[in-house]
Amino acid sequence: DAGVIQSPRHEVTEMGQEVTLRCKPISGHDYLFWYRQTMMRGLELLIYFNNNVPIDDSGMPEDRFSAKMPNASFSTLKIQPSEPRDSAVYFCASSLLAERYNEQFFGPGTRLTVL
Amino acid sequence: KQEVTQIPAALSVPEGENLVLNCSFTDSAIYNLQWFRQDPGKGLTSLLLIQSSQREQTSGRLNASLDKSSGRSTLYIAASQPGDSATYLCAVSGFQKLVFGTGTRLLVSP
Repeated sequence: DAGVIQSPRHEVTEMGQEVTLRCKPISGHDYLFWYRQTMMRGLELLIYFNNNVPIDDSGMPEDRFSAKMPNASFSTLKIQPSEPRDSAVYFCASSLLAERYNEQFFGPGTRLTVL
Repeated sequence: KQEVTQIPAALSVPEGENLVLNCSFTDSAIYNLQWFRQDPGKGLTSLLLIQSSQREQTSGRLNASLDKSSGRSTLYIAASQPGDSATYLCAVSGFQKLVFGTGTRLLVSP
């Protein structure tokens, strides 16, 4: 398996622009997670899905952030409008509850810079 | 609210040394605990997962232990190598949600 795939790997945008981050989980996994990593706050869970349904979005910082999972092999995290404080590395992870006690596998991340 | 602390924040050792990284958590009601490795500019690689009912897990030169009652886990690295240089993160799971520590940055010198 190719592992969790994220795109783009790097994104530079200007304040006010819309940003869309993409994730393809490991095939067969039933949980998908979006995390954000910053120097100040470390790694934080933003939202997670089970079987394409959002379960907990309490970590989403503001209404400017939204996430969707239209099918089992694709998810997006959208920021609209983007602000400089959104600059961070965004990770997607997936897991399979029935295997390995829900061990999470992470993608390479998207480094977002908002100017 | 679960809080995870890792000590030390940074560690520098010569090649060949055995070393211990520490992780503590405030709420013992956990589902599992994972240790990850993160190389600069890279994603997270899962190293070991310990179920809440287990005491330890081993993989090669790595051994992780878990003491739920005291809210502690340790990652033991035997015979360290320069390739072990990275940031090590522990994360505890209350079933699905992982709460991460701030990490220990390890440098192993040749």
